[in-house]
Amino acid sequence: AQTVTQSQPEMSVQEAETVTLSCTYDTSESDYYLFWYKQPPSRQMILVIRQEAYKQQNATENRFSVNFQKAAKSFSLKISDSQLGDAAMYFCAYRPTGANSKLTFGKGITLSVRP
Amino acid sequence: GAVVSQHPSRVICKSGTSVKIECRSLDFQATTMFWYRQFPKQSLMLMATSNEGSKATYEQGVEKDKFLINHASLTLSTLTVTSAHPEDSSFYICSARDTDKNIQYFGAGTRLSVL
Repeated sequence: AQTVTQSQPEMSVQEAETVTLSCTYDTSESDYYLFWYKQPPSRQMILVIRQEAYKQQNATENRFSVNFQKAAKSFSLKISDSQLGDAAMYFCAYRPTGANSKLTFGKGITLSVRP
Repeated sequence: GAVVSQHPSRVICKSGTSVKIECRSLDFQATTMFWYRQFPKQSLMLMATSNEGSKATYEQGVEKDKFLINHASLTLSTLTVTSAHPEDSSFYICSARDTDKNIQYFGAGTRLSVL
């Protein structure tokens, strides 16, 4: 069974600084998708970034980028120039390919941003 | 971007009554939708996978007679909590998969309080 591990329950970052959120996963599949979702206090889940496992290039979305290490099964999220609005719970998620495949979420990490 | 609408956002009901929650994909057709339950400060727990035109697939431990799911069209899935009890009080989140983009979008959630 696939598992997603987010070992840090909480992190804090100074505004304008950079923070990295770690995530590891376990799978026997060779092709799959990885995601980072953000859940702010409103509790609306927002897709931050996604990565296809067959792509070697790390995904980037503005201030958000990932470090995808397939062999190590690691998928960390880097937030640059942190803003107060980045404060939220962040979930790493894995999904195999396939029409009815399901997302497997990590436990999440609460990120706070210090002004 | 793609939007998933979930209604109502908040519902308070008496014990023994039934509550229906609607989930609509506004910008795309979703053959597959998902229903999650989330407890405070915890990750999302998948309850069931809803496929248009067929019966939902429930996760282990989820009572299908308690949580009725209907996915009658490509843009609408409903979750009915039947004979609700205080222990059913929780935050319920729906999600719809845009198969063209291979991305899963989430509704804003429904906070159910059973008195």
